Amino acid sequence: EVQLVESGGGLVEPGGSLRLSCAASGFRFSDAWMSWVRQAPGKGLEWVGRILSKGGGGTTDFAAPVKDRFTISRDDSKNTVFLQMNSLKTEDTAMYYCTWNSKVSMFDVWGQGTTVTVSS
Amino acid sequence: QSALTQPPSASGSPGQSVAISCTGASSDFGDYNYVSWYQQHPGKAPKLVIYEVSKRPSGVPDRFSGSKSGNTASLTVSGLQAEDEADYYCSSYAGGNNYVFGTGTKVTVL
Repeated sequence: EVQLVESGGGLVEPGGSLRLSCAASGFRFSDAWMSWVRQAPGKGLEWVGRILSKGGGGTTDFAAPVKDRFTISRDDSKNTVFLQMNSLKTEDTAMYYCTWNSKVSMFDVWGQGTTVTVSS
Repeated sequence: QSALTQPPSASGSPGQSVAISCTGASSDFGDYNYVSWYQQHPGKAPKLVIYEVSKRPSGVPDRFSGSKSGNTASLTVSGLQAEDEADYYCSSYAGGNNYVFGTGTKVTVL
């Protein structure tokens, strides 16, 4: 069974940092492109960023609101992808979902999400 | 990049059909047919129901169908059932290593 399990969410003050993890199972993770998508309370979905497989160059891309503050990395030996969030703002408060892009065109497997609250 | 535009709500009685539109600029869709749709029940993670405009993942009922004309994509749910009541989001990849989601539509089964 394909599964994604996020962890690492919590309460952080504005300007602080947080690192989210996503443990994957049930598919060939080393070949996978992985994305993070977030959803603010009561709002819609927003793509955050993506990391390609190492074979695909391992490059990362980010949405404009988080570029230069967030980074994505991966540890293929542990089937885990990470979202490092720095200089957090109140508007980053959201549920953060880890997703698998089995094709560039879609997000076909989602984790259950982890909640990030940025507040003083 | 702005979100794709969806109607806030749509409704239908059991057995009827409901169609949801998803409109964007030509740059949001590009030269690709990379429109996908997601169903989200309250408190749950989204679930893929349509990809590449009209393809259904394994396990998704054929009551779900998708289409696209110009800068507007559509999701149609036929033979509405109570479990179809959920929020639905479109998404597009238009190249440039960037994805955009729609504003979301709440579907109510009357």
